[in-house]
Amino acid sequence: GDSVTQMEGPVTLSEEAFLTINCTYTATGYPSLFWYVQYPGEGLQLLLKATKADDKGSNKGFEATYRKETTSFHLEKGSVQVSDSAVYFCALRRNYGGSQGNLIFGKGTKLSVKP
Amino acid sequence: DARVTQTPRHKVTEMGQEVTMRCQPILGHNTVFWYRQTMMQGLELLAYFRNRAPLDDSGMPKDRFSAEMPDATLATLKIQPSEPRDSAVYFCASGLSTNEKLFFGSGTQLSVL
Repeated sequence: GDSVTQMEGPVTLSEEAFLTINCTYTATGYPSLFWYVQYPGEGLQLLLKATKADDKGSNKGFEATYRKETTSFHLEKGSVQVSDSAVYFCALRRNYGGSQGNLIFGKGTKLSVKP
Repeated sequence: DARVTQTPRHKVTEMGQEVTMRCQPILGHNTVFWYRQTMMQGLELLAYFRNRAPLDDSGMPKDRFSAEMPDATLATLKIQPSEPRDSAVYFCASGLSTNEKLFFGSGTQLSVL
């Protein structure tokens, strides 16, 4: 079945460091790919998405490129801030001929950024 | 700001008791999802509704869990009887079937003693 695998955390970085969180997926067809972020005590929020191969999603300095050849969607940010401390979830959604299926999430990666 | 509202935020109960969690989706959204989050399993889909009709509840233990949408403004998730292994955070999310963005509530933290 469809699945998402992302690197286990926690990831601890100093402010202004470069961030990469790896995500790979297994799915039939051409899913849409997402990164969601969860701040402490809150629900998940969509961070960015990509709907087809070679698309790059970007938001708030974060980027991820849909790589079909490596079935990957790695999250990157050039310079993290303390306020980026959160749990990051990679997810996919299969597209059933125009109607949307549910999201399948990875286990999440906790990021802690120290001043 | 439109948001998904979940109640209660926290619930502590004893094994065997009934638990009802409520969700008010964003007005106009026609899809509603229930997810359960645990450290071990991460986020698991429990139920999925479109236009108030259940489309997928294969992830939900049928013997004790039930999910309904009495109307377009209310979704409920009920556990009867509750067990300690049900302790988790339960999230409701809503969206439009024509749009890929999901909006999550803040969750219900359930502890079953």
